Amino acid sequence: SSDLTQDPAVSVALGQTVRITCQGDSLRSYYASWYQQKPGQAPKLVFYAKNNRPSGIPDRFSGSSSGNTASLTITGAQAEDEADYYCNSRDSSDNHWVFGGGTKLTVL
Amino acid sequence: QLQLQESGPGLVKPSETLSLICSVSAGSISSSGYYWGWIRQPPGKGLEWIGSIYYSGSTYYNPSLKSRVTISVDTSKTHFSLKLSSVTAADTAVYYCARQYLLPDAFDVWGQGTMVTVSS
Repeated sequence: SSDLTQDPAVSVALGQTVRITCQGDSLRSYYASWYQQKPGQAPKLVFYAKNNRPSGIPDRFSGSSSGNTASLTITGAQAEDEADYYCNSRDSSDNHWVFGGGTKLTVL
Repeated sequence: QLQLQESGPGLVKPSETLSLICSVSAGSISSSGYYWGWIRQPPGKGLEWIGSIYYSGSTYYNPSLKSRVTISVDTSKTHFSLKLSSVTAADTAVYYCARQYLLPDAFDVWGQGTMVTVSS
């Protein structure tokens, strides 16, 4: 199996840029997907694969990947971006999937 | 617009079997290129993938839960189900169903989630 590691908490000043990272061996082979979850709500897909942003997601959300690390970047963070963010990817077993532990983003 | 809705008992006794249904509307489980998955989230904790199913019936389970999990698709292809046996308090969580796009992978549509508490 494969673990995906995320920083538990990250903060960013309003309007600034923040990068949320996800590390794991499986990311050398598979793309990550990223989910935003606000309190009391279901997770929402905000970015996936190399360059895919679902309809309705602001273009301030972008993703990248290098080696064993995938990143979600928010350029010009807004107050409404304060949430928990989770990465997800297949693990080395191919047809199994794993979530990272989540990153709590605070917008100051 | 595709919608998913979880349903089932909110309270299950220890050692019994948790059973949930995910109803799919405005879409078809038989769509190629998609799996249908279950994910759970214990109170105050992160997301855990439970398992996924293709409309043909092929299933994939989290190794840590595999011995207790069964996911199936209804023959009418309007809903899919989760059964988790021998539950304990550690299985208390919000359970979500989701459509899972494949290659590239992403859980692109989620249900609102249903809270299941394991307690006597």
